Amino acid sequence: EVQLVESGGGLIEPGGSLRLSCVTSGFTFTNAWMSWVRRAPGKGLEWVGRIKSESDGATTAYAAPVKGRFTILRDDSKNTVYLQMNSLKIEDTAVYFCGNRGGSRIDNWGQGALVTVSS
Amino acid sequence: QSVLTQPPSASGTPGQRVTISCSGSSSNIGSNAVSWYQLLPGMAPKFLIYGNNDRPSGVPDRFSASKSGTSASLAISELQSEDEAEYSCAAWDDSLQGPVFGGGTWLTVL
Repeated sequence: EVQLVESGGGLIEPGGSLRLSCVTSGFTFTNAWMSWVRRAPGKGLEWVGRIKSESDGATTAYAAPVKGRFTILRDDSKNTVYLQMNSLKIEDTAVYFCGNRGGSRIDNWGQGALVTVSS
Repeated sequence: QSVLTQPPSASGTPGQRVTISCSGSSSNIGSNAVSWYQLLPGMAPKFLIYGNNDRPSGVPDRFSASKSGTSASLAISELQSEDEAEYSCAAWDDSLQGPVFGGGTWLTVL
């Protein structure tokens, strides 16, 4: 059974940093491109970014609103992908989901981690 | 405001067939395959369909998808109460170089 479990969410002040983790199982993580998608309150899903597999160079790509502030990392030894979020803004408040595969097709998703940016 | 446009709500009665639309542009739906997801509060989104009805195992064939030009549709036949959920479309956008999503359509089974 494929499982993705996010953790690390919480309440953070504007300008602060937070790191989300997504621990996975049930599929070959080393071959997987991994994505982060978020959903702000009352809005639709929004792509955050993705990281390719190590064999594909582990290169990353980010959506314009988070580029330069967010970083996606992976640790294949732990089957885990991370989302490092710096310089957080109030508009970053959202539930953050990790998913396997890149592009518009995400086969499996986690249940999400809530990040609230507020003073 | 989402890049892809969906109606905020739809409804149907058990056994009925309903369709949910998703409108985009030439840079996304017009040139790339569309994915559909089912969303329920507090749960992991569920992947339903990609492209020309490429469904993962476990998704019944009551769910089907189509595309014409810069618009796409999800059809659910033989509607069941368990289908009551939010549905979201997605497609790769060649201009933005990333996937874009619709705002979601909440389906009510009356």
